[in-house]
Amino acid sequence: EAGVAQSPRYKIIEKRQSVAFWCNPISGHATLYWYQQILGQGPKLLIQFQNNGVVDDSQLPKDRFSAERLKGVDSTLKIQPAKLEDSAVYLCASSPVRRPVGRTKDGYTFGSGTRLTVV
Amino acid sequence: SQQGEEDPQALSIQEGENATMNCSYKTSINNLQWYRQNSGRGLVHLILIRSNEREKHSGRLRVTLDTSKKSSSLLITASRAADTASYFCATVQSQGGSEKLVFGKGTKLTVNP
Repeated sequence: EAGVAQSPRYKIIEKRQSVAFWCNPISGHATLYWYQQILGQGPKLLIQFQNNGVVDDSQLPKDRFSAERLKGVDSTLKIQPAKLEDSAVYLCASSPVRRPVGRTKDGYTFGSGTRLTVV
Repeated sequence: SQQGEEDPQALSIQEGENATMNCSYKTSINNLQWYRQNSGRGLVHLILIRSNEREKHSGRLRVTLDTSKKSSSLLITASRAADTASYFCATVQSQGGSEKLVFGKGTKLTVNP
């Protein structure tokens, strides 16, 4: 099966500009996740979708970050305006179902990520 | 917030040696997963161990879990230069009836040929 597709691979913008990232999950995967990974750290969950509804966005800086998943398939993550500390790799992952706790059998499938540099 | 703490932060070994990475976490878990990340690439799932399991094997990988100590270890035997990557442990936390995956900071492994 095709993997999780993300674009662009790299993006360089100036602070205060806006930027958008796109993710196409594995076909049929209902759950989609956006993670932020700052250099030298582990990924941090920003937002989780189940179909086109938000399950968890508690760590999303909502004053500047927004995300949507129209029609429960592709998703976009936007930053407006960007700050220097937003420089990171933005990873998208998907899984087949919303997983009740304790029922996980497999790991998550991640895309290759978008590396954002804010200058 | 990050759940796991990997130890060591960086590890450098010679090809053929074994590499051991440790992970400690704070809350109760349903399962713990290990992921690998090559430089500039996405994360690849390696292995999952449930909270009621103590040890699991997959090829050259061996994972142990001690829930009483809230710790896990990943052993890579007979390492190869291609194993050079960052390795992350991730714990599953309950969230509104479903789950979310919370990562540690990772161990950067370098295998020298």
